[in-house]
Amino acid sequence: SQQGEEDPQALSIQEGENATMNCSYKTSINNLQWYRQNSGRGLVHLILIRSNEREKHSGRLRVTLDTSKKSSSLLITASRAADTASYFCATVETGANNLFFGTGTRLTVIP
Amino acid sequence: NAGVTQTPKFRVLKTGQSMTLLCAQDMNHEYMYWYRQDPGMGLRLIHYSVGEGTTAKGEVPDGYNVSRLKKQNFLLGLESAAPSQTSVYFCASSYLGGYSRTSGSSYNEQFFGPGTRLTVL
Repeated sequence: SQQGEEDPQALSIQEGENATMNCSYKTSINNLQWYRQNSGRGLVHLILIRSNEREKHSGRLRVTLDTSKKSSSLLITASRAADTASYFCATVETGANNLFFGTGTRLTVIP
Repeated sequence: NAGVTQTPKFRVLKTGQSMTLLCAQDMNHEYMYWYRQDPGMGLRLIHYSVGEGTTAKGEVPDGYNVSRLKKQNFLLGLESAAPSQTSVYFCASSYLGGYSRTSGSSYNEQFFGPGTRLTVL
């Protein structure tokens, strides 16, 4: 079964607004990663946060991790039309190397 | 530097036919993976390999076989295709052993190919 569950399943916002996506998972993890998938393309790695980290930034991306609640959030600030894509969280269980992907959030940024 | 490439991009099979999907990476990664992506299901791991000559089952291995004869290639085979195997297949690879200053990648970050869209009639 999949580790991550994203919420919401779909999100539509105006350009310039912030977008927040949430991910919940089930077991102890080594790290959690976020990926982006443009329509018809492969996934692209965005950011990785380790289990001993609580927050991480990369450009307009901000990721938080709460291991006590087994949840993570991805914030995209000042969204652009080019951010339109599906976003997936993926977890690496403690002691494992494989990623378990969630079902994704479909983000639409309206120009 | 092409990254991860997949062949073919599209394929239509009849039930019972066989085919092989080819994945190639030029990043000298140890780990390689095959996933399938179905609507509303996210990505599910079929098989993976931790190095040349080794393979292991993932979450949904039934109906598929794999081989890793060369470090840079990972083959996914369907011996007798079924309509339930209609999906988009993604190959990925990752660096083993921690942060690489050369590649800039981090432990377990996976690099994905563009996908193969397979339809089984």
